[in-house]
Amino acid sequence: SQKIEQNSEALNIQEGKTATLTCNYTNYSPAYLQWYRQDPGRGPVFLLLIRENEKEKRKERLKVTFDTTLKQSLFHITASQPADSATYLCALDTRGGFKTIFGAGTRLFVKA
Amino acid sequence: DADVTQTPRNRITKTGKRIMLECSQTKGHDRMYWYRQDPGLGLRLIYYSFDVKDINKGEISDGYSVSRQAQAKFSLSLESAIPNQTALYFCATSDSTGIGTGELFFGEGSRLTVL
Repeated sequence: SQKIEQNSEALNIQEGKTATLTCNYTNYSPAYLQWYRQDPGRGPVFLLLIRENEKEKRKERLKVTFDTTLKQSLFHITASQPADSATYLCALDTRGGFKTIFGAGTRLFVKA
Repeated sequence: DADVTQTPRNRITKTGKRIMLECSQTKGHDRMYWYRQDPGLGLRLIYYSFDVKDINKGEISDGYSVSRQAQAKFSLSLESAIPNQTALYFCATSDSTGIGTGELFFGEGSRLTVL
């Protein structure tokens, strides 16, 4: 069956450290993968998109990698801040399906 | 004002009642979506529409219907609400250019409780 898996356990890190979140998928061949941030009671907000032929994408303190052989994306936040505390959602687009499928998300807590 | 507006933001209703959740957008996007979010399950696609005359079922369309009244308006109906439809519902839009769905723009959500 098709699955998108994100660590269901919350990630707790100290301010200033790098947070790394993992997204694994099975039985998909995504054209591209996206990462969203969601704060409690709010709608998800788009962060980054990476295409299947890209290995890495950066935006300010954010970095995403995409390994289609391992079927995995890693999402990094460098120099993390308490304001980065949120749930981060991985999403992929099914090839030709024009639908975006989401993982359940990983909750990140950054302590001051 | 928000680009994607959902009403109501919160609704409590009883089993068997008909409920409509409304979504309007000012982004000028052709594509609109309804997702449902449950704890531990992530966002699941209910219906999506690529233009006014196009309606498509998502993963979990049973028990729901939609109407695309205009490019900017997409409503979700529960004809006879049941308790397991208690969830947080999100409307989203995306641009029709490029491959796939591209970046999704979400509303603030409509929290529905069915007693």
